[in-house]
Amino acid sequence: GAVVSQHPSWVICKSGTSVKIECRSLDFQATTMFWYRQFPKQSLMLMATSNEGSKATYEQGVEKDKFLINHASLTLSTLTVTSAHPEDSSFYICSARGSDYEQYFGPGTRLTVT
Amino acid sequence: SQKIEQNSEALNIQEGKTDTLTCNYTNYSPAYLEWYRQDPGRGPVFLLLIRENEKEKRKERLKVTFDTTLKQSLFHITASQPADSATYLCAPGASNSGYSTLTFGKGTMLLVSP
Repeated sequence: GAVVSQHPSWVICKSGTSVKIECRSLDFQATTMFWYRQFPKQSLMLMATSNEGSKATYEQGVEKDKFLINHASLTLSTLTVTSAHPEDSSFYICSARGSDYEQYFGPGTRLTVT
Repeated sequence: SQKIEQNSEALNIQEGKTDTLTCNYTNYSPAYLEWYRQDPGRGPVFLLLIRENEKEKRKERLKVTFDTTLKQSLFHITASQPADSATYLCAPGASNSGYSTLTFGKGTMLLVSP
């Protein structure tokens, strides 16, 4: 079946530094990938939609200069959290939509900013 | 604004029993609705998709209904097992500019006791 991986699975960084999270579709091509953020006991909130070869579409309230998204190939999208602060600590999850209607999610990346 | 409501409290049931999870939405006309399972610290796993022209969808011990008049989807799980313990998320989907986005509810935690 369709598998999406994320790397790293968890990361701890110091305030002010940048962190890159990778999302890969392992056995299918995904022209569209999505990035979500989830705080404890909250729903997944869509941050942005990433289309291969074009600029990402950000949801209202998400700073595009802080959360840089690059979708360089049909199997890889990256999210870079720039100048991270403790309030950016969260669970970041990506998903990739296959040729069918289904959306396949990665296992998530736990970011902790100290 | 769009709103998705799921059973707010965790549901506790005995192994072997059937339970129903509710998803209500307002200010929304989704073309389809998806149900996911999420385990702690993991990304969501797709379970079922039901389209607006479908009343019911089944998959093994799961059954989902979709009532566009009531703006409600019900998720039934029969012959429950402890391994079914997880948080279940509903996500109405809307097509927009050629790609589909999902908005997730907070989820309902289901605990199945042996």
